[in-house]
Amino acid sequence: QVHLVESGGGVVQPVRSLRLSCAASGFSFSGYGMHWVRQAPGKGLEWVTFISFDGSDTYYADSVKGRFTVSRDNSKNMLFLQVNSLRTEDTAIYYCARGYYSDGWYIDSWGRGTLVTVSS
Amino acid sequence: QSVLTQPPSASGTPGQRVAISCSGSSSNLGTNIVNWYQHLPGTAPKLLIYRNIHRPSGVPDRFSGSKSGTSASLAISGLQSEDEADYYCAAWDDTLNGLVFGGGTKLTVL
Repeated sequence: QVHLVESGGGVVQPVRSLRLSCAASGFSFSGYGMHWVRQAPGKGLEWVTFISFDGSDTYYADSVKGRFTVSRDNSKNMLFLQVNSLRTEDTAIYYCARGYYSDGWYIDSWGRGTLVTVSS
Repeated sequence: QSVLTQPPSASGTPGQRVAISCSGSSSNLGTNIVNWYQHLPGTAPKLLIYRNIHRPSGVPDRFSGSKSGTSASLAISGLQSEDEADYYCAAWDDTLNGLVFGGGTKLTVL
């Protein structure tokens, strides 16, 4: 059974940084691409970034490009999101999610999220 | 403004059938598969429909998906109170090189 557990959220001041983590278990982590998706208060789901199974390819939403960096450690079954230069509009629940490819990409499993609040 | 367009709300009474639409463009729905998610606040979103029409194991057959051109639809028949949730469509966008979501539809069971 796929299990994804995010951590690292908290209250942080604008322009500061944070590192989010996602511990994966129940599947062969090194064989799957992974996503981060966020949901701001009262808003819908917003895709943030994707990293390929081996970390060689990454994609970012325009809203975070240049400020966020996704990485992974397949030896530890861990996914990371380094979030820099935080803005108040980055306040959101950040979800770690597993990507699956079958005639196209989609997310098939999600974690429960970690809350990031950007406030002075 | 979301890349995929969904109605913000939908409603129905128990037993009724409701449909939620999702409209996109040639770079997303016109080219790639659409997937649907059910989300209850405070919980992990749940995959409801994948590859346009397929249900993961455990999802009741009351839920069905369809896609034609740059539009897609999620239908829920035999509506139940437990279906009250937010529903999102999603697809890969070849121009943006990323996953795009609809704005979400809040389903109310009256």
